[in-house]
Amino acid sequence: KQEVTQIPAALSVPEGENLVLNCSFTDSAIYNLQWFRQDPGKGLTSLLLIQSSQREQTSGRLNASLDKSSGRSTLYIAASQPGDSATYLCAVGPSGFQKLVFGTGTRLLVSP
Amino acid sequence: DARVTQTPRHKVTEMGQEVTMRCQPILGHNTVFWYRQTMMQGLELLAYFRNRAPLDDSGMPKDRFSAEMPDATLATLKIQPSEPRDSAVYFCASGFRSGSYNSPLHFGNGTRLTVT
Repeated sequence: KQEVTQIPAALSVPEGENLVLNCSFTDSAIYNLQWFRQDPGKGLTSLLLIQSSQREQTSGRLNASLDKSSGRSTLYIAASQPGDSATYLCAVGPSGFQKLVFGTGTRLLVSP
Repeated sequence: DARVTQTPRHKVTEMGQEVTMRCQPILGHNTVFWYRQTMMQGLELLAYFRNRAPLDDSGMPKDRFSAEMPDATLATLKIQPSEPRDSAVYFCASGFRSGSYNSPLHFGNGTRLTVT
């Protein structure tokens, strides 16, 4: 059974810092990996989707990498801003299907 | 901007009552998911559909939960009878799959259910 772990569970940084969020998964036979952010009381917003054949994806200040063999992904946020404060979740898609298994999330607080 | 629409946003009901949650997936998406989120368990997959056919509902308590897609624009999740342990936020998500291509999943804002 696939298990997804995110470290750290919570992170507090001053504005402007570059930061890395970690995601690890136990079964490397994945189809894709997706990073989401969730604001309080809201649904999940897709940030980046990495197909299993890819090593990384970039969108603006966000860069996500995937190392299937080691069961790891990282989300790099450059020059963090208070608006980045949210919970970040990673989710892996088992081979051939879209249903995602979610990590428990990292709660990020960026202070002005 | 296309989005997944869920109704109601909030629902408070008494134990034993029937609860129906609705979801309108993004037009053109052929895969629909129901997830439940709680503080203790995080996000759990309840059921999912492709081209309106149920593919997996193993995450759902079958004695009280049922999920259907009467048409391509509507997915429903019913709980009957509801119990206090069903209190959670229920999310619907949709995506498109074709061959080896999987689109990102798009989530609705959820239905926050409280069963007293």
